[in-house]
Amino acid sequence: DGGITQSPKYLFRKEGQNVTLSCEQNLNHDAMYWYRQDPGQGLRLIYYSQIVNDFQKGDIAEGYSVSREKKESFPLTVTSAQKNPTAFYLCASSMRTVWSSGNTIYFGEGSWLTVV
Amino acid sequence: DAKTTQPPSMDCAEGRAANLPCNHSTISGNEYVYWYRQIHSQGPQYIIHGLKNNETNEMASLIITEDRKSSTLILPHATLRDTAVYYCIVRVVIQGAQKLVFGQGTRLTINP
Repeated sequence: DGGITQSPKYLFRKEGQNVTLSCEQNLNHDAMYWYRQDPGQGLRLIYYSQIVNDFQKGDIAEGYSVSREKKESFPLTVTSAQKNPTAFYLCASSMRTVWSSGNTIYFGEGSWLTVV
Repeated sequence: DAKTTQPPSMDCAEGRAANLPCNHSTISGNEYVYWYRQIHSQGPQYIIHGLKNNETNEMASLIITEDRKSSTLILPHATLRDTAVYYCIVRVVIQGAQKLVFGQGTRLTINP
């Protein structure tokens, strides 16, 4: 089935450690996104990528890094510089559009990161 | 970025129509309105989207006012499985990339 796969579902990290969250999509989508969600809150955009080897910072990029070496993969690294990393992380993808009709953004099932 | 305003919570009886309002008074002419819902600890699920005209699909209907400053999502026959947080979102396109600007959403509870 086509979709977005995030792994792991649950991850524990010790303070001071970097951790990488995986996101893979087989929808042949050009654009991919990472969002962060804190309990009871809406989603906030961390990074997004429109094409391979290109990505832009979202609203809360500090303490995070990404790469886009392949179209289907957009891993997110939560670095030790991120002061409050405990959150629910969501990956999403969409067809790349420019001023066109509404293409839908699809989300993965999310990854819970807890700092212990 | 255009922002949306939704009531924090709503209740609806099972089998009745659930009408969820959303204000987006700063929306621009080329910005779409999207609706997603999220069940706890899952990824948001796409429901419907529109620009100017009313839209209907197998899940819901979207009514957009003529001035586009507000919209209403209608779930025609709500079931217990429709209990979720519903997000009204404005899609903006910046340098060719889509951005979904999420608000706090409405927590809809369907009661038996």
